[in-house]
Amino acid sequence: GESVGLHLPTLSVQEGDNSIINCAYSNSASDYFIWYKQESGKGPQFIIDIRSNMDKRQGQRVTVLLNKTVKHLSLQIAATQPGDSAVYFCAESYNNNDMRFGAGTRLTVKP
Amino acid sequence: NAGVMQNPRHLVRRRGQEARLRCSPMKGHSHVYWYRQLPEEGLKFMVYLQKENIIDESGMPKERFSAEFPKEGPSILRIQQVVRGDSAAYFCASSALAVDGELFFGEGSRLTVL
Repeated sequence: GESVGLHLPTLSVQEGDNSIINCAYSNSASDYFIWYKQESGKGPQFIIDIRSNMDKRQGQRVTVLLNKTVKHLSLQIAATQPGDSAVYFCAESYNNNDMRFGAGTRLTVKP
Repeated sequence: NAGVMQNPRHLVRRRGQEARLRCSPMKGHSHVYWYRQLPEEGLKFMVYLQKENIIDESGMPKERFSAEFPKEGPSILRIQQVVRGDSAAYFCASSALAVDGELFFGEGSRLTVL
């Protein structure tokens, strides 16, 4: 399934399926992007980052895609697990003076 | 190596009182950021500080809010004469680098204004 990052939209997927979370960023000069995961009652945790000179980066079960032409970022989670249930934020920065966050997407994984 | 430490975790204040939120960055980190998060919303940047300097406070309300990061001790976010609209979770993050530095977040301080 897919979801566009607006005002905390929700994405519900079945355990084992792949998840795609989308984010539209605002500043065409942004050169560094991070995806964060925030579980209920906790602070955000780093998942994966990507610099603007790349269009794809892979981690463990996660892949980030960057399309600078349309200022779009996506996070793909393979074989989604119940522990992946959280709110996911994309963040952008220019020279990392301050990291600006999107509104987030709530991912719910159904067993 | 302890992570970013924030205290108090929960703070209740009545309207008109002052709230002080503290943040101790990770060891070796000299860059501190404060964010505010309302329920079901994203994190809103407030201020970026290095030791003894405010680098960017473009997200801070012009009145009642102030932040500092002294040479010794934690960073402090101070909210004077709190109002109900100040109720939120306030997150602190730190990084070792000014450029492309991964942010490490604390668990947040949840302020409730009665």
